[in-house]
Amino acid sequence: DADVTQTPRNRITKTGKRIMLECSQTKGHDRMYWYRQDPGLGLRLIYYSFDVKDINKGEISDGYSVSRQAQAKFSLSLESAIPNQTALYFCATSDPTRNTGELFFGEGSRLTVL
Amino acid sequence: GQQLNQSPQSMFIQEGEDVSMNCTSSSIFNTWLWYKQDPGEGPVLLIALYKAGELTSNGRLTAQFGITRKDSFLNISASIPSDVGIYFCAGRHNTDKLIFGTGTRLQVFP
Repeated sequence: DADVTQTPRNRITKTGKRIMLECSQTKGHDRMYWYRQDPGLGLRLIYYSFDVKDINKGEISDGYSVSRQAQAKFSLSLESAIPNQTALYFCATSDPTRNTGELFFGEGSRLTVL
Repeated sequence: GQQLNQSPQSMFIQEGEDVSMNCTSSSIFNTWLWYKQDPGEGPVLLIALYKAGELTSNGRLTAQFGITRKDSFLNISASIPSDVGIYFCAGRHNTDKLIFGTGTRLQVFP
């Protein structure tokens, strides 16, 4: 079983709909992240959380919100989806006690907004 | 926001050839990391570099932390079909926040 699990893996929705992408992890890591991947643009940070009470904006947070419900769960919401939010979304975790900089990624959630 | 320039954007090579790709930044990093993304999967760490000038190998992969701390290089020797994927560099300042490069898509033909 994957250590970082994302649901749904694929979603097609319409402009204006509310969408939630969920992430759960069994690694016991305090730090969790949401990234967006677009062709030619690499991975860009949307939001991150260093513990349950901590939420921080990344470089492209506009149009998104997050909730850290527990150490193991970090969800990303699009309140009113628009077509340019069509992308591949990744959740990731890291262990600050190791201080390696390594992120552990889920398998991705592909979102299409029509 | 800050971006890392990664080149080339894509490579089409024959099995057995060596591959080189690089990443440059406008600012200094304390850590450079190289990730590989297989089709349909999330990125996985290949090599991490923590010191300017450091040269580190992982099997057929070799990466270097540039002496200026603003660049890094990844070489793959004797490529094989399973090397296909997207390679990302990433730089880190002092926290776990990483800045990713734009990616190099590698195709290997038999």
